[in-house]
Amino acid sequence: TQLLEQSPQFLSIQEGENLTVYCNSSSVFSSLQWYRQEPGEGPVLLVTVVTGGEVKKLKRLTFQFGDARKDSSLHITAAQPGDTGLYLCAGREGGSEKLVFGKGTKLTVNP
Amino acid sequence: NAGVTQTPKFQVLKTGQSMTLQCAQDMNHEYMSWYRQDPGMGLRLIHYSVGAGITDQGEVPNGYNVSRSTTEDFPLRLLSAAPSQTSVYFCASRGLVYTGELFFGEGSRLTVL
Repeated sequence: TQLLEQSPQFLSIQEGENLTVYCNSSSVFSSLQWYRQEPGEGPVLLVTVVTGGEVKKLKRLTFQFGDARKDSSLHITAAQPGDTGLYLCAGREGGSEKLVFGKGTKLTVNP
Repeated sequence: NAGVTQTPKFQVLKTGQSMTLQCAQDMNHEYMSWYRQDPGMGLRLIHYSVGAGITDQGEVPNGYNVSRSTTEDFPLRLLSAAPSQTSVYFCASRGLVYTGELFFGEGSRLTVL
């Protein structure tokens, strides 16, 4: 069972465009993380959100945790080729030690 | 800065062979885990451990064994490899804070013929 649904699965845009990636679930998460993975490497943490409605900004990236803690979004403003990669959301239910990942969104930013 | 080290990086096996993927971390992390990554499937949790002597199953544990005799090491064993186990395997660790960052190794690409 895939707890976290990410959309879109693939996204190809031009440099300078804005984009939003979504991470949705029917489950409530105690915390949610976003990771970015480049080819041949392991994922690297971008952000952790723990409070419903929380918004965090990391330069041109804005992350939001839904009020009910069931969904999250990642918005990138003025995308650059260096933003190219696989973006993964990952959630933890309740007091579980397990971190469950979505299938990822593969972003390509063309110069 | 070693972080999480996985060996080997690449391995080709024949069906039925056994092997062990090694994972070591030098950050004194209590929590360690193994994921497999397949195209279109994202990362799926195989097994995890919250400390030496303690292991538990993830989403896809069948065909894999783990043990945790020390804080630093968390090997993943395939007792009888099958083509369905062809994948990229990632080891990851974090500290006690469960909202903390999960640190990943560079991955081990396994092909089972």
